[in-house]
Amino acid sequence: GAVVSQHPSWVICKSGTSVKIECRSLDFQATTMFWYRQFPKQSLMLMATSNEGSKATYEQGVEKDKFLINHASLTLSTLTVTSAHPEDSSFYICSASPQLAGRYSYNEQFFGPGTRLTVL
Amino acid sequence: SQQGEEDPQALSIQEGENATMNCSYKTSINNLQWYRQNSGRGLVHLILIRSNEREKHSGRLRVTLDTSKKSSSLLITASRAADTASYFCATDENRRGYNKLIFGAGTRLAVHP
Repeated sequence: GAVVSQHPSWVICKSGTSVKIECRSLDFQATTMFWYRQFPKQSLMLMATSNEGSKATYEQGVEKDKFLINHASLTLSTLTVTSAHPEDSSFYICSASPQLAGRYSYNEQFFGPGTRLTVL
Repeated sequence: SQQGEEDPQALSIQEGENATMNCSYKTSINNLQWYRQNSGRGLVHLILIRSNEREKHSGRLRVTLDTSKKSSSLLITASRAADTASYFCATDENRRGYNKLIFGAGTRLAVHP
């Protein structure tokens, strides 16, 4: 249980185009989903937190208009990188927290496999 | 800003040896977690230790927590080549309704056959 998927697993796009990345919780409902960015050989940096049905909360320094987040349902959050540029090339990872603690302890986060974005 | 800092940044050992990674943090925590990441992949949750716990075991993993020093260690015993990965500690920061995870810089472990 507690599986999170991401699609696509990798994407190459031209500079100036927009790219949408999906994050799905497959076997649980997620009240909260998180989007992280990871540069090579570096740690994960939280970009934003999305709650179903409300606006995302962005971390300091993350452009809201650049990284659009939509959490339309309890199982799906999307991250759209708008007008992508080469410096946006990175590994994007999402995580999801179950709606109810129930079978899970505390506010556990389950991570997706990541999406590698390369902007040419 | 990142709260957790880890050392060493990189560790290279032979199969069968033990690997110890350390993590330090700056503020009070509710719990501390360790994750593993294979190259280019997502994170796998290894173990969680609560602030009122001092030591926890899971298979070949042993985690300690010293809240007075704001530090934790992850010990992998009898390492295997398959343990080659990056290991991150993560502490939580309370936000309304959820916990924000703050990751350390990570330790890249290489286990040579």
